[in-house]
Amino acid sequence: KAGVTQTPRYLIKTRGQQVTLSCSPISGHRSVSWYQQTPGQGLQFLFEYFSETQRNKGNFPGRFSGRQFSNSRSEMNVSTLELGDSALYLCASSWTGGSYNEQFFGPGTRLTVL
Amino acid sequence: QQQVKQSPQSLIVQKGGISIINCAYENTAFDYFPWYQQFPGKGPALLIAIRPDVSEKKEGRFTISFNKSAKQFSLHIMDSQPGDSATYFCAASRGTGANNLFFGTGTRLTVIP
Repeated sequence: KAGVTQTPRYLIKTRGQQVTLSCSPISGHRSVSWYQQTPGQGLQFLFEYFSETQRNKGNFPGRFSGRQFSNSRSEMNVSTLELGDSALYLCASSWTGGSYNEQFFGPGTRLTVL
Repeated sequence: QQQVKQSPQSLIVQKGGISIINCAYENTAFDYFPWYQQFPGKGPALLIAIRPDVSEKKEGRFTISFNKSAKQFSLHIMDSQPGDSATYFCAASRGTGANNLFFGTGTRLTVIP
């Protein structure tokens, strides 16, 4: 099976712009979670989608949003970008979304905000 | 507030030695504790995971020790190899239907040949 894919791998934006990142989960996986990884804050949970519905949400401002399509592919959007949004954004997929299911991470999208 | 505390921040071990990384948590609702390994430029990959109904789990050279009363768990890497040099993260999550992992701050392991 192909692993989790994320596009694009690298992105450079300027403050105030918006960005959309894409994640394709492993075939058959219905849960997609998004995480932000920064040197200062580490890995932080953004949100999880399961069967096209947001099931869990972390403590991020409303500028961060996401959605999931019927084929389980997911997108996350960040509006009005700030310098502090520069990070590696990781997507993880799992089979049914239960807590004991292994989450498989993609390689991430490196976002740089100038 | 960091829900999972991890130490040390960095660790240097000789080839063949034992690497030990420790984590502690406060939330007693956590019931799933995985360890992830991350190489530069890659996403985290699951190494091994444990539930609180067992005190130890071993897979190859990797062992998790779990102390429920102390709310601590640790990763032991036996016979450490240079290829083990990576950043290791402990994590925790709560219950079925909660797929959000709370991660520790990471330990950068360097294994010297």
